[in-house]
Amino acid sequence: ETAVFQTPNYHVTQVGNEVSFNCKQTLGHDTMYWYKQDSKKLLKIMFSYNNKQLIVNETVPRRFSPQSSDKAHLNLRIKSVEPEDSAVYLCASSPNWGGNTGQLYFGEGSKLTVL
Amino acid sequence: GDQVEQSPSALSLHEGTGSALRCNFTTTMRAVQWFRKNSRGSLINLFYLASGTKENGRLKSAFDSKERYSTLHIRDAQLEDSGTYFCAADTNAYKVIFGKGTHLHVLP
Repeated sequence: ETAVFQTPNYHVTQVGNEVSFNCKQTLGHDTMYWYKQDSKKLLKIMFSYNNKQLIVNETVPRRFSPQSSDKAHLNLRIKSVEPEDSAVYLCASSPNWGGNTGQLYFGEGSKLTVL
Repeated sequence: GDQVEQSPSALSLHEGTGSALRCNFTTTMRAVQWFRKNSRGSLINLFYLASGTKENGRLKSAFDSKERYSTLHIRDAQLEDSGTYFCAADTNAYKVIFGKGTHLHVLP
């Protein structure tokens, strides 16, 4: 049963436009993540947040900005998209305990196509 | 270099047989997770291990943090087991990095 919800699931836009992806989790987890899955299906971590605080920022271009209003929501804004931003963006959450992340739960992904 | 090295990249099995997927880590990891991508493209968590082994039906996973590896064993493979499997490891409490995946094809 899905507990991490992403919108939109698909978005097609042109170079230079702004895009936002929203993510909400109903699991009560403290930590949320954004991952990028490229055309080769490689999953790379972009950001992680814990209780609205940015913890991990993996040298992502500055046009990407995560936003967290509370621990259940983590949105991703791309200010001016580039062709290489075409990918599937996956949101996840985890409970974090004892110094470990705990089991990751993923949303269904948001596929971005930049023309 | 890659911190999580997953092998094989592709694997074909006949129904009823079994095999193992493996992930080697270039550094000590706190925990490992295994995922399968379902028909809708969603990542489904199969196992989370901080140590030792876990078993669920025809799947069994092991994690040795000292020896820096984890395995996922599949026995009595079924057609519906076909898909892409990923391992992922906790480098710290807030960062999980993924292997490149194994494409499993179960043949009749």
